[in-house]
Amino acid sequence: RKEVEQDPGPFNVPEGATVAFNCTYSNSASQSFFWYRQDCRKEPKLLMSVYSSGNEDGRFTAQLNRASQYISLLIRDSKLSDSATYLCVVNLRGKLIFGQGTTLQVKP
Amino acid sequence: DTGVSQNPRHKITKRGQNVTFRCDPISEHNRLYWYRQTLGQGPEFLTYFQNEAQLEKSRLLSDRFSAERPKGSFSTLEIQRTEQGDSAMYLCASSFSESGANVLTFGAGSRLTVL
Repeated sequence: RKEVEQDPGPFNVPEGATVAFNCTYSNSASQSFFWYRQDCRKEPKLLMSVYSSGNEDGRFTAQLNRASQYISLLIRDSKLSDSATYLCVVNLRGKLIFGQGTTLQVKP
Repeated sequence: DTGVSQNPRHKITKRGQNVTFRCDPISEHNRLYWYRQTLGQGPEFLTYFQNEAQLEKSRLLSDRFSAERPKGSFSTLEIQRTEQGDSAMYLCASSFSESGANVLTFGAGSRLTVL
């Protein structure tokens, strides 16, 4: 079983749609959680950290369920510029483990 | 500070040759990570350092791979006797662990092609 699992997609959505990505992790000792964004042929960049209480940054909302070992990212009112790969990341005692990534394509 | 710098950006080599990549992290960052990424996959953890100490190395990594960070600043990743399966993007990232969040800043990567 992979340490961090994501549905690779692709998710093809129209502009303005709401889309949700899910991620599960296998090690309950994982300490902190993140979503990174990776544009085509570019390096990953931090999108947002994920907190147990849930957190929001503009159109983006992240949720963490430690009991189910599940992380989610919700994007509201999708923009063309949101097209990218979204990587779920788990911090296990300093080692940051990436999921496969979920590809989002927002179409006009 | 200009961020994380990696060199060379591209390397084409023949099977069996050795290659070395260099990473210069953000100066105040004490942690340095190496990842490998192939098309359609997320970055795969290879190893990481805190200052000059190598704290963890992936069990998936063969003995042909070695990394160093001798003075706790820049790091090198060497691949000996390269194989075609080593063709990938090698990403370096750094972070400041004392901040609590351990957020990674990546370099642009070094793309390796093994012929």
